[in-house]
Amino acid sequence: DVKVTQSSRYLVKRTGEKVFLECVQDMDHENMFWYRQDPGLGLRLIYFSYDVKMKEKGDIPEGYSVSREKKERFSLILESASTNQTSMYLCASSSMTLNTEAFFGQGTRLTVV
Amino acid sequence: AQTVTQSQPEMSVQEAETVTLSCTYDTSESDYYLFWYKQPPSRQMILVIRQEAYKQQNATENRFSVNFQKAAKSFSLKISDSQLGDAAMYFCAKKAGGTSYGKLTFGQGTILTVHP
Repeated sequence: DVKVTQSSRYLVKRTGEKVFLECVQDMDHENMFWYRQDPGLGLRLIYFSYDVKMKEKGDIPEGYSVSREKKERFSLILESASTNQTSMYLCASSSMTLNTEAFFGQGTRLTVV
Repeated sequence: AQTVTQSQPEMSVQEAETVTLSCTYDTSESDYYLFWYKQPPSRQMILVIRQEAYKQQNATENRFSVNFQKAAKSFSLKISDSQLGDAAMYFCAKKAGGTSYGKLTFGQGTILTVHP
């Protein structure tokens, strides 16, 4: 089975802290994604990566950055956390070469206080 | 920006009955893919069903089927013989073909409650 693993299910951070959300996939997928999930808004794409060291902005990149140093790992970084970044964060991966769906991690619920 | 719209924030159904969740989308492409994902309270997103736009035949997966109306840009999910385990948030999503790198655009979600 494809597995996408996020490092934390719940995280509480203080305003102004630098926050790292880690995601690892074990299926050698080229594409990796970070989404933010908020009630009534569905999932919105923050950043994605289609190769190591390659990254592209999604629909809501402001306040976030990403890092992909290895194919299996994709990190989301909040340089200076703010309360409006309190949300559910979902990581996903998919294959570039196969017409398949995206596979998701279990989500990280981040609270910024 | 491409949009996917789920106009039903909440739906409910009696166990063993049938329910239909609605989804419409906006696109100028001829090649794309549509998905329904389920998110139970565990938060793990699970693929329910997939439809390729070039296929005219509606996809089915056991008790789940879709009504894909390409001209109307509509993609509804029908759940037959509803079970308590079907209770979840359901998301409709669209993926462009070509070099879109697999990016998904999601609807707002529909919370489905199943009554015993």
